[in-house]
Order: sequence, then structure tokens, then C-alpha cells
Amino acid sequence: NAGVTQTPKFRILKIGQSMTLQCTQDMNHNYMYWYRQDPGMGLKLIYYSVGAGITDKGEVPNGYNVSRSTTEDFPLRLELAAPSQTSVYFCASSSQGPYEEQYFGPGTRLTVT
Amino acid sequence: AQSVAQPEDQVNVAEGNPLTVKCTYSVSGNPYLFWYVQYPNRGLQFLLKYITGDNLVKGSYGFEAEFNKSQTSFHLKKPSALVSDSALYFCAVRDRSNDYKLSFGAGTTVTVRA
Repeated sequence: NAGVTQTPKFRILKIGQSMTLQCTQDMNHNYMYWYRQDPGMGLKLIYYSVGAGITDKGEVPNGYNVSRSTTEDFPLRLELAAPSQTSVYFCASSSQGPYEEQYFGPGTRLTVT
Repeated sequence: AQSVAQPEDQVNVAEGNPLTVKCTYSVSGNPYLFWYVQYPNRGLQFLLKYITGDNLVKGSYGFEAEFNKSQTSFHLKKPSALVSDSALYFCAVRDRSNDYKLSFGAGTTVTVRA
């Protein structure tokens, strides 16, 4: 049971480039989330999904897109990368229920220059 | 709206001494409260949660937290800190009327010196 896996671990992008951050979970969780973590700012929710085919915006969705074609996968797409998107990105999943804890992946450190 | 405040950026304690990490929250209804820990270059790991019932919640690695509704607080405690407890700690809250969104505090860096 690998839990939540993310690829890549590190990436450097030039301004205007695009990329997809991959996230996979093997716990059969319905709920999946994408966060970004900036120093001293905690975690901010980018997008979330409550099941395959269903996604919704979080607090900071601008500049990102997501899709959820399967229960296991929840990729995050960055279009036209900007320096403000330099951050550490975490994917998480949880079973159904607002009191259930979230399980986090190891993160992707992205630098946009 | 829901939010969390962690008033201390850093907490420094000696090994063997009690450790407290403070958290206050704001929700419009009743809260679900969580503590997570993050070790360097790792994702967050769940420590404990408050759902309902007993105000004192026990979690992983000897940590516990006390829910205080009148003070809207959920402080994390450990009676005897270890050097290995040095990490970044996050408090998080979800309003019971909000099914999906978890709001995190800014985090508190704990350093335990030998």
C-alpha cells in the first residue's frame, strides 16, 4: 500500500511553460485535494474532487486546472507558468466524511524562473 | 468562514520538558479539529483529531490535545518532548457544515534541544 504518490519530486519551469503534476492514491478514497505550501503561509487549497468526474475550486485556483477521470488519479495542470506559482505542491486524499483525516503525498517542489 | 491561528512561529524546549503548541480557531458552527506534523522534505502526517465527546484527545507519538470551546482553542501537548519531535506542526479546522474544505494555520516550528 503506497498511499499517495506524487511525481515529479522537483521541477524547474521557465515562465510561460506548462506542466502536469501527477497524483495517485491506492486507498480507494473518494476525496482528493491539491494544496500549495508557501513559507509561513500554511497550506492553501487549490482544487478538490469528491469523486471521479467531479471537481471544484478551492481558495487559490487561478492558473491551475484539474481533472479526475478515475478514483485513483488527480493530476494538476499548470498552464503558462508564472513566478508566483513557485511553491511546494501537495496532493492529499481522504475517505468520505468531513471528520476523516487526509493523507498527504511527499510533495513536488516547483520553481518558475 | 473558518480560520485557524497559530500564534507562535517557533517553540523551543529542552528534551524531557513539556511541549505545548497553541492553536485557536474560528468557525460559524461546530468544528472538527486536526493536528498534523511535517518533517523536513516530507508530506504532512496526521497526529490526532477532535470530532465530539471527550475534550482531551490522544493521538500518535504520545501527543494529546485539549478542545476548549469557550476559548476556541485546541492546543497540542506532549508531557515529555523528544529531540525527534522537532518538526513543523499544523493545526487545521473544518466547520461541520463544510464537507470538504480544511483550513490550515501557518504552522509552528518546534525545536527540541538535547
